[in-house]
Amino acid sequence: DTGVSQNPRHKITKRGQNVTFRCDPISEHNRLYWYRQTLGQGPEFLTYFQNEAQLEKSRLLSDRFSAERPKGSFSTLEIQRTEQGDSAMYLCASSLAVGISSYEQYFGPGTRLTVT
Amino acid sequence: DQQVKQNSPSLSVQEGRISILNCDYTNSMFDYFLWYKKYPAEGPTFLISISSIKDKNEDGRFTVFLNKSAKHLSLHIVPSQPGDSAVYFCAASEGAGGYQKVTFGIGTKLQVIP
Repeated sequence: DTGVSQNPRHKITKRGQNVTFRCDPISEHNRLYWYRQTLGQGPEFLTYFQNEAQLEKSRLLSDRFSAERPKGSFSTLEIQRTEQGDSAMYLCASSLAVGISSYEQYFGPGTRLTVT
Repeated sequence: DQQVKQNSPSLSVQEGRISILNCDYTNSMFDYFLWYKKYPAEGPTFLISISSIKDKNEDGRFTVFLNKSAKHLSLHIVPSQPGDSAVYFCAASEGAGGYQKVTFGIGTKLQVIP
């Protein structure tokens, strides 16, 4: 399977705990995106990497959130001191960087976070 | 402020008939539009796209129409099949040549009845 993979698929944590999610993009894709999706909404952009550089962050990404993409391959999204409002599906997507294909983002299955 | 609007939360269509999903947008800077399909417990899957310089793009049973003056696009599925039952997200992108920030609508749930 050469698609985008995300781990874990589900995470239940208590408020105040830290959580980390991992995304492995399609190997030849150098752009990687994180989105958050809540019930009844579409995916909302959080942040974006081109190779290892984090080039844009949404205002949705508070200082409790941090994302990394060391070596331009897999990425991690960490949420510190989780709050109940962080409960959502966290989606990762990847794309090529050039041409029309750069518009077409390929999504992973997501990590569903529940903060109790 | 919803820049991409899908005003119909759900749609039911008989198998074999046409499904028409609608989408409106407000941002004139959008230059590329996409439709994604999402099954439960899966991430969205890219379906079809259209550049702002075109008014129609067709791929098999799926056709997307763009009316720039009305800031409206639609996805036509003909003929509809039960396997098409899913949530369909309209998305729009701005940033030609650089980073393409994609804004999604809230989705329309399509049910194709056998």
